[in-house]
Amino acid sequence: AQSVTQLGSHVSVSEGALVLLRCNYSSSVPPYLFWYVQYPNQGLQLLLKYTSAATLVKGINGFEAEFKKSETSFHLTKPSAHMSDAAEYFCAVSEDGTASKLTFGTGTRLQVTL
Amino acid sequence: GAGVSQSPSNKVTEKGKDVELRCDPISGHTALYWYRQRLGQGLEFLIYFQGNSAPDKSGLPSDRFSAERTGESVSTLTIQRTQQEDSAVYLCASSLEGRVNSGYTFGSGTRLTVV
Repeated sequence: AQSVTQLGSHVSVSEGALVLLRCNYSSSVPPYLFWYVQYPNQGLQLLLKYTSAATLVKGINGFEAEFKKSETSFHLTKPSAHMSDAAEYFCAVSEDGTASKLTFGTGTRLQVTL
Repeated sequence: GAGVSQSPSNKVTEKGKDVELRCDPISGHTALYWYRQRLGQGLEFLIYFQGNSAPDKSGLPSDRFSAERTGESVSTLTIQRTQQEDSAVYLCASSLEGRVNSGYTFGSGTRLTVV
């Protein structure tokens, strides 16, 4: 069975600083990996997804994530944080793209300060 | 509609009462999912509908929970005899096909508080 661990329930960065949100997964087969973002009072939106093509995946709003099989990681990064990036971020895994269900991590709340 | 609509956005109920949560998916989306998010926890899968196929109810935590969907339209999640541990945000999502790779669109959720 697959699982996802997000290290750090809260991360605080200064505006303009690097954003790094960590995600490690466990899967018995090559996984499909996703990052979702939830802005206050809104539904989750897909940021990016890894589906066994390029290991470096670019998403919306300047975010990207790199799939590292040796480290079983799929960390989310953004070179320069903006105030509008403050939100909750969820990593999710599925064992294949035809699966109907995602397994989500517990989420990381990103705070951006001036 | 333009997005997934959930109602009510907030619900406070007394322990032991029944509640109904509604989800209106994006028009044309054949797949509909319910997830639960308890405080400090990840999203927990509850149930999945795909077209006219039998729903996947493997995530429902107890027989107090049930859900219905008529065709490819509105779904209702019902919780009978609510307990305090049922307090959570209940999220609905829909997708064009029943595959995670096709991308989910989530509603903004119903925050249920059982007092």
